[in-house]
Amino acid sequence: DGGITQSPKYLFRKEGQNVTLSCEQNLNHDAMYWYRQDPGQGLRLIYYSQIVNDFQKGDIAEGYSVSREKKESFPLTVTSAQKNPTAFYLCASSLQEYYGYTFGSGTRLTVV
Amino acid sequence: GENVEQHPSTLSVQEGDSAVIKCTYSDSASNYFPWYKQELGKGPQLIIDIRSNVGEKKDQRIAVTLNKTAKHFSLHITETQPEDSAVYFCAAPNTDKLIFGTGTRLQVFP
Repeated sequence: DGGITQSPKYLFRKEGQNVTLSCEQNLNHDAMYWYRQDPGQGLRLIYYSQIVNDFQKGDIAEGYSVSREKKESFPLTVTSAQKNPTAFYLCASSLQEYYGYTFGSGTRLTVV
Repeated sequence: GENVEQHPSTLSVQEGDSAVIKCTYSDSASNYFPWYKQELGKGPQLIIDIRSNVGEKKDQRIAVTLNKTAKHFSLHITETQPEDSAVYFCAAPNTDKLIFGTGTRLQVFP
């Protein structure tokens, strides 16, 4: 079955460490997105990519980095520069920007 | 750029009643309006969408209506059931991405 897979589901990080969240899709979608969701809050866009080897900053890109070396993969690195990284991270993909997004099941990151 | 406002932020209904969530958008050129349902601890799931060339779209108990003149669109859920309890997000396009509303937490009481 086609879908979008995020791993791991839960992640614990010590302060000062970088951590990379995985997002893989086999839907042959062109565009991929990363969102951050805090408890009881909406979706805030971190980074997005419309094509391989190209990506754009979203509303809250500071302290995060991404790469898009393959169409299927869009990993997100939460760096030590991100002051409050504890959150629920969601990855999404779409065939084109005006099509409905398919979301992954999310990664819950906790800084300990 | 596009701005999307969503109301109400919380909505409680009795099982079997109807629920309506409204969103307004600012860019009159917007032409695609999806709705997502997010259950606790999961990613949002697309439940219905509408394009600007139609005024209403139905899928069983859910429907979406679009008023292009007033620049608002609404999600209607009829005969609500406890499993409809979730957070619902509307969205509208802005250049090359979707802009999401702030979400509505729907609680359906048995």
